[in-house]
Amino acid sequence: NAGVTQTPKFRVLKTGQSMTLLCAQDMNHEYMYWYRQDPGMGLRLIHYSVGEGTTAKGEVPDGYNVSRLKKQNFLLGLESAAPSQTSVYFCASSPHLGWENQPQHFGDGTRLSIL
Amino acid sequence: SQQGEEDPQALSIQEGENATMNCSYKTSINNLQWYRQNSGRGLVHLILIRSNEREKHSGRLRVTLDTSKKSSSLLITASRAADTASYFCATNTNAGKSTFGDGTTLTVKP
Repeated sequence: NAGVTQTPKFRVLKTGQSMTLLCAQDMNHEYMYWYRQDPGMGLRLIHYSVGEGTTAKGEVPDGYNVSRLKKQNFLLGLESAAPSQTSVYFCASSPHLGWENQPQHFGDGTRLSIL
Repeated sequence: SQQGEEDPQALSIQEGENATMNCSYKTSINNLQWYRQNSGRGLVHLILIRSNEREKHSGRLRVTLDTSKKSSSLLITASRAADTASYFCATNTNAGKSTFGDGTTLTVKP
């Protein structure tokens, strides 16, 4: 099982450029999440999705958009990248059934630098 | 604002010693989870404790939860160099969403 796969693993962008980060999970999970992690800090929730076709804002949504067209994929978009968006981005997924007792499963992250 | 806050921020011990890290949170929770993050990698789930549980064990890990004090502790016994990592607590308050603390960085010296 691949679990949660994030692509790309590394990317360098110039200010103002746009890009899309892809997250794919093969566990048939309903819930998916995008977090960012800045140096020495924990994870902050950007956007999340409770099912195909639905998305919701997290703690730090500004400057990002997401889409969940297929259950297994969750895309994070940066329309006009800014240096403040330099960070490590993590995707995670978790099941709906028995959610009270279920942890999140994480990908290995995308390291994004905005110059 | 962060729901979970870990203490200490950094901990350095010798191999074989026990490591204890604490997590405090602010609101009522459904469960509390502990995760480990090795350098350059994603988070790996260690243990989940529900709000109606007080203590849980998994191998060398022992987690306690005190809902009256809104706090949890993670004890790693007989630590190994391979336990060197950052440890995060996460609180779950509604369906599927968890809030993470800033983590404790553990260094185990061989």
